[in-house]
This record gives sequence, C-alpha cells and structure tokens, in this order.
Amino acid sequence: GNSVTQMEGPVTLSEEAFLTINCTYTATGYPSLFWYVQYPGEGLQLLLKATKADDKGSNKGFEATYRKETTSFHLEKGSVQVSDSAVYFCALSDPPGTYKYIFGTGTRLKVLA
Amino acid sequence: EPEVTQTPSHQVTQMGQEVILRCVPISNHLYFYWYRQILGQKVEFLVSFYNNEISEKSEIFDDQFSVERPDGSNFTLKIRSTKLEDSAMYFCASRRMTDTQYFGPGTRLTVL
Repeated sequence: GNSVTQMEGPVTLSEEAFLTINCTYTATGYPSLFWYVQYPGEGLQLLLKATKADDKGSNKGFEATYRKETTSFHLEKGSVQVSDSAVYFCALSDPPGTYKYIFGTGTRLKVLA
Repeated sequence: EPEVTQTPSHQVTQMGQEVILRCVPISNHLYFYWYRQILGQKVEFLVSFYNNEISEKSEIFDDQFSVERPDGSNFTLKIRSTKLEDSAMYFCASRRMTDTQYFGPGTRLTVL
C-alpha cells in the first residue's frame, strides 16, 4: 500500500540556519503531497501542498517540490526562526475514492536563538 | 477564516466507559474524517464519511467505534467501551471538493 517515510527527529538548528526535512513516498497513482505543521498545543495546519510532478508548493518561506523520479517531497527553508519550532508532518492523499491521508511519523524541529 | 472545531479539548475516562468526541466541520464541506495519533506515533486514518455514510474505514475502526452526523453541523466519533490503548489525540478533518483537508485542534483522550 501507499506509505510516507520521513526523517527522524528531533532536528535542532540555530536561528537563520538552512532547514531540510526529508520525505519520500510510495504510491500507486498520482497522489497530492502535503506538509502540515503542528505548533505546541495546536492542531495540524496546512503549510503547503503540491498536486502533480514538478509542482513546487511554498508558504511562509518554506518550499517543497514534488519529485516523481525520486518519489520525494523534501521540505526546505533558507533561514529558520525560533517561531518555526514545531512538528512537521509529510502526508499524501490516497486516491481514488476517499482521498484519506497517509502521514509520515512527523519531525520535531527546535530552533535556538 | 472558517475552521474546524473540536470538543472537548481533553477527555479523561475510565476503561470500559463510552465517550463521544465532537467536531464541527467547516460549514460547506462535504467530506469528513477522523484520525488519531497515539503519543509519539504517526497520525493514523480511522474513518471517512460522506453523504451520511461511512465511505472507508481502517482496521483500527472496529465495532467499538461509530460515527454520526446527527445534524447539519456536528460530526461525532463514539467509542462504546474504551480500552487503555484508545488513549490518543483524535483529530477531525473536513474538505469540500479538492483533496486538501482542514484539521481541528484535536481532542486528547486519556483512558485510565
């Protein structure tokens, strides 16, 4: 079945460092790919998405490109801030039918001032 | 901006008791979901609901679980006889026509 593999955390970075969180997927068909962020004590918020190969999703300085050839959707940000500290989840929608999500394990990011 | 809401934020119950977790999806959404996240583990799909019936359920969603949309706004998850292993964060989500789901803040269920 479809699956998502995400790099283990926690990831600890200094402010203004470059961030990469790796995400690879296994899927039949053509799922959409998502990054969600969970701040402490809050729910899952959509960060960005991409719906087809070579699409780049971007939001709040974060980017991820849907790479079909490497089945990857790595999250990047050029300069992280303390306020980016959160747990980041990679997910794919699982067509056809209900489009339920399959999530990765989540990666905790801690940014130090 | 409209958002998905969930109540309660934290529910503590005794093993064997019934619990009902409540969600109010975004008002013009058509598809509804429940997920759960056991502490330290990944978010797992439980069930999807469309047009007043279950459209898909996972292996986790056994006979102890049920869902209902009792009126035009609420979407509930009932666990008939809770077990210790049901302790988790439960997330409700909804979507309209695209495949982007919007999540509520979650209900933390603690079974003692």
